[in-house]
Amino acid sequence: LAKTTQPISMDSYEGQEVNITCSHNNIATNDYITWYQQFPSQGPRFIIQGYKTKVTNEVASLFIPADRKSSTLSLPRVSLSDTAVYYCLVGAIRDDKIIFGKGTRLHILP
Amino acid sequence: EADIYQTPRYLVIGTGKKITLECSQTMGHDKMYWYQQDPGMELHLIHYSYGVNSTEKGDLSSESTVSRIRTEHFPLTLESARPSHTSQYLCASSERTAMGSPLHFGNGTRLTVT
Repeated sequence: LAKTTQPISMDSYEGQEVNITCSHNNIATNDYITWYQQFPSQGPRFIIQGYKTKVTNEVASLFIPADRKSSTLSLPRVSLSDTAVYYCLVGAIRDDKIIFGKGTRLHILP
Repeated sequence: EADIYQTPRYLVIGTGKKITLECSQTMGHDKMYWYQQDPGMELHLIHYSYGVNSTEKGDLSSESTVSRIRTEHFPLTLESARPSHTSQYLCASSERTAMGSPLHFGNGTRLTVT
């Protein structure tokens, strides 16, 4: 898996859009970018996955520039319940060994 | 929601006891994983399997062992529990497809060894 770098923590306010950027300079041609969300005392939950350009689902958007050396997870109009740790993973689809980094601890304030 | 189950949810046990943490999934996923996570810390991969009769060690050295006799079942065993084994253990599974499949996690087992 390619190494990733994310901010350790971020604070934002309810109703704001939050963007979390992940750097992955060594991304390989067949690597996908996947984001997970983890609440305390629970397992991580899949949010979104993409390969290039933009992907959007009911929860978030994922922006990937043409060089794919970074990606940005965008959470629209966050609420207190979005307070969680967000992990960016980069790897090939057939990777058997899925390694999580430290993630970004997002704290939403009222 | 994915159907992956871990039991027990909480376990408090004395030093030296043998324990088995259960993990089952009903999705027919080939790949299964065990992660260890201390409160507020990152997840560490301790074991994984890409199918029946396959098991591999992860990045974090662990005294636990696993088995994969059936597709749906991936139990983790500690032969002799120690206080250093106190942690949360998370099981996950995924398909093995060309298009990729995200990990589906259980709710974890929080183990305390006294």
